Amino acid sequence: DAGVIQSPRHEVTEMGQEVTLRCKLISGHNSLFWYRQTMMRGLELLIYFNNNVPIDDSGMPEDRFSAKMPNASFSTLKIQPSEPRDSAVYFCASTPEGRLFYNEQFFGPGTRLTVL
Amino acid sequence: QKEVEQDPGPLSVPEGAIVSLNCTYSNSAFQYFMWYRQYSRKGPELLMYTYSSGNKEDGRFTAQVDKSSKYISLFIRDSQPSDSATYLCAMSAGTDKLIFGTGTRLQVFP
Repeated sequence: DAGVIQSPRHEVTEMGQEVTLRCKLISGHNSLFWYRQTMMRGLELLIYFNNNVPIDDSGMPEDRFSAKMPNASFSTLKIQPSEPRDSAVYFCASTPEGRLFYNEQFFGPGTRLTVL
Repeated sequence: QKEVEQDPGPLSVPEGAIVSLNCTYSNSAFQYFMWYRQYSRKGPELLMYTYSSGNKEDGRFTAQVDKSSKYISLFIRDSQPSDSATYLCAMSAGTDKLIFGTGTRLQVFP
């Protein structure tokens, strides 16, 4: 089975541009997490969904960030306008349907974002 | 103060050494404790999963939880170069999000 799929794998953009990151969940998974990882701050949870419904978006840094889950298997994270401090690796992760807890998360390979 | 503290390292050891990785935490509600391993330019993957206090062993890996001290450890016996990675502790109170440590980078040299 394919794992969590993220695209693009690398993105280089200029300050002020819109950036859209994409994530496809593993079949049979119903919870989706977006994380950001930097050397300074480690792995930070931005937002998570359960059954397409946003549960906790308290980690979203600013209104420039938005996330959607238009269907059960796909999610987008959008940054508009992007800033150099948004440069990081962005991961999405999912957990299988039917699990009581979110402890076993399956991560995608990440999108490395550089904002110049 | 962060909820979960982890020494970033790097930790450099020779092949065959015993490695000890640790995290401390402040939230006494945490009941579930995980260790994730992250290879360079990859996503984290679950390595060990324990509930409450005690030890759990899986091959060369042992996870230890001391809730009274709010301290968790991961021991790697007979370390191999293939163990070179960043190790992230993670914990949760149950039906809620995971809180990750910042990760400890481990380098095992031949």
